[in-house]
Amino acid sequence: NAGVMQNPRHLVRRRGQEARLRCSPMKGHSHVYWYRQLPEEGLKFMVYLQKENIIDESGMPKERFSAEFPKEGPSILRIQQVVRGDSAAYFCASSPLDSYNTGELFFGEGSRLTVL
Amino acid sequence: GENVEQHPSTLSVQEGDSAVIKCTYSDSASNYFPWYKQELGKRPQLIIDIRSNVGEKKDQRIAVTLNKTAKHFSLHITETQPEDSAVYFCAASEDDKIIFGKGTRLHILP
Repeated sequence: NAGVMQNPRHLVRRRGQEARLRCSPMKGHSHVYWYRQLPEEGLKFMVYLQKENIIDESGMPKERFSAEFPKEGPSILRIQQVVRGDSAAYFCASSPLDSYNTGELFFGEGSRLTVL
Repeated sequence: GENVEQHPSTLSVQEGDSAVIKCTYSDSASNYFPWYKQELGKRPQLIIDIRSNVGEKKDQRIAVTLNKTAKHFSLHITETQPEDSAVYFCAASEDDKIIFGKGTRLHILP
């Protein structure tokens, strides 16, 4: 059973470009979380999704950031018109939990975005 | 929403000694408290968790305690070893959204 797969592992973008980060959850997991980690800082919650449904996006910046988890394919975190402050590691995690049970998060290796 | 505070931000202990990391949470409805370990450049991984219906849980050299009244929970590592050097994150959750503390960088000194 492959773990949570994130790609790309490293992404370099110039200011104003778009960044797309992809996450395939573990087999059998229907819940995906995205967290942002700035250097020397903690894991900041961004968004929590199920297939075709955003459950909680209270941690997402109001502009330029969006996330989706389509019926088929990986979850995608999209950052439009990137700025230097977007440089960070973006971690995806998946969980087998249902709405009645909080469980372990399985993290991917992260995607490290560098904005020049 | 939930807010998790974690202390200290950095901790250095002599190899063989014990390490204690403390967290507080704000939402009294939170009922799940995991701890994650992140080695340099790696993914966070769950090391132990505790649910609100118990006050203490132990797994070999690692133990967690939970005080629901005070909204405190702590991680205890005994007989520390070099491989314990990492960043440790506490977290709290009530509605499936898991909120993390800012982390504690643990250094094990030879």
